[in-house]
Amino acid sequence: QQQVKQSPQSLIVQKGGIPIINCAYENTAFDYFPWYQQFPGKGPALLIAIRPDVSEKKEGRFTISFNKSAKQFSLHIMDSQPGDSATYFCAASKGNFGNEKLTFGTGTRLTIIP
Amino acid sequence: GAGVSQSPRYKVAKRGQDVALRCDPISGHVSLFWYQQALGQGPEFLTYFQNEAQLDKSGLPSDRFFAERPEGSVSTLKIQRTQQEDSAVYLCASSRRAETQYFGPGTRLLVL
Repeated sequence: QQQVKQSPQSLIVQKGGIPIINCAYENTAFDYFPWYQQFPGKGPALLIAIRPDVSEKKEGRFTISFNKSAKQFSLHIMDSQPGDSATYFCAASKGNFGNEKLTFGTGTRLTIIP
Repeated sequence: GAGVSQSPRYKVAKRGQDVALRCDPISGHVSLFWYQQALGQGPEFLTYFQNEAQLDKSGLPSDRFFAERPEGSVSTLKIQRTQQEDSAVYLCASSRRAETQYFGPGTRLLVL
């Protein structure tokens, strides 16, 4: 049972564009929703995270939009750069955030072309 | 310490061999997690420690998988009688209580 569904599987965007990656979850007990960035041969690194009591969070060029009623959240990358080319994973957990196992989406391979 | 470290980075094993993968968490991090990442997939939870106590091992795929953290710091994931389907990247993550999980670079295991 895939508890966190992620789309698209891959995405190609021109430099300066705004890639959008979407995730949907099923378990209403989830209350922490991080996004991780992973480069080849490296471990995932936290980009930004949100709790369901807010609908949007911005950190630098990265924005999470959260729709609790639809059980959906998305990542927007403003002014995308070739260095943003990586695989992005959404995730979810329940309980005390960071102290509970993460359930990951299947990933989105993002390519930013110059 | 700089971050979570894992060793070895790469491991090739013949089918049926036992392997041991090591994780050195960030100093002072109470929580430690192991995940398995198949090629082209997201990480999947294997097991969780709080200090030396293994509080959740629900993700371990079979009794061939065993993890320990005897002194509440370094952890070892052991796979006995490896099978080809065990080929994956094994990721370790650590966190302070109730904070972000920080991942290591992973160990890439190839079982021939």
